Amino acid sequence: AQTVTQSQPEMSVQEAETVTLSCTYDTSENNYYLFWYKQPPSRQMILVIRQEAYKQQNATENRFSVNFQKAAKSFSLKISDSQLGDTAMYFCAFMVGSGNTGKLIFGQGTTLQVKP
Amino acid sequence: NAGVTQTPKFQVLKTGQSMTLQCAQDMNHEYMSWYRQDPGMGLRLIHYSVGAGITDQGEVPNGYNVSRSTTEDFPLRLLSAAPSQTSVYFCASSTIRRTGANVLTFGAGSRLTVL
Repeated sequence: AQTVTQSQPEMSVQEAETVTLSCTYDTSENNYYLFWYKQPPSRQMILVIRQEAYKQQNATENRFSVNFQKAAKSFSLKISDSQLGDTAMYFCAFMVGSGNTGKLIFGQGTTLQVKP
Repeated sequence: NAGVTQTPKFQVLKTGQSMTLQCAQDMNHEYMSWYRQDPGMGLRLIHYSVGAGITDQGEVPNGYNVSRSTTEDFPLRLLSAAPSQTSVYFCASSTIRRTGANVLTFGAGSRLTVL
């Protein structure tokens, strides 16, 4: 079975500091994709960043970057220069293949609070 | 505005009642899906569809029915609601890419309470 585990239910960080959210996954597949989604209090699911498993280079989107360790099956999210608007629940998600098999499997979520 | 539209946003039901959660998208996406979100469990896939007339079960399909008569619409039916179906429901859609990741677009969610 394919699973995604986020071991930190809650985290907090001071504004302007850096925080890292952890995610591990389990699969025997070689072709897959990894995502981080943000869910603010509005409940809207927002894509933060994605990573293709075949790419060695870690993905970066402005203040958000990932540390993708394929052998360890680890996919952590680093938020630099944290802002109050980053307060949200963050979900790590995993998708095997593409096309008709593109079902997304989510972790349990990490609630992040950014403190002023 | 382009996107995924879910209705209603909130609904309270009594045990045994039936209802339909509506989902519509105007992006001509082939893939549509329904997830439920419960505390401590993330989002779990209920049903999905890869095109009109084609549906399949996800991780937690029991108690739910779906149909896909058009590309745009993918309603989720609860035939006899149970308290265990109290949850927040999300509809999500995407194009189907032959290579690369399908990036889902999510609706705003529907909070359902079953008493």
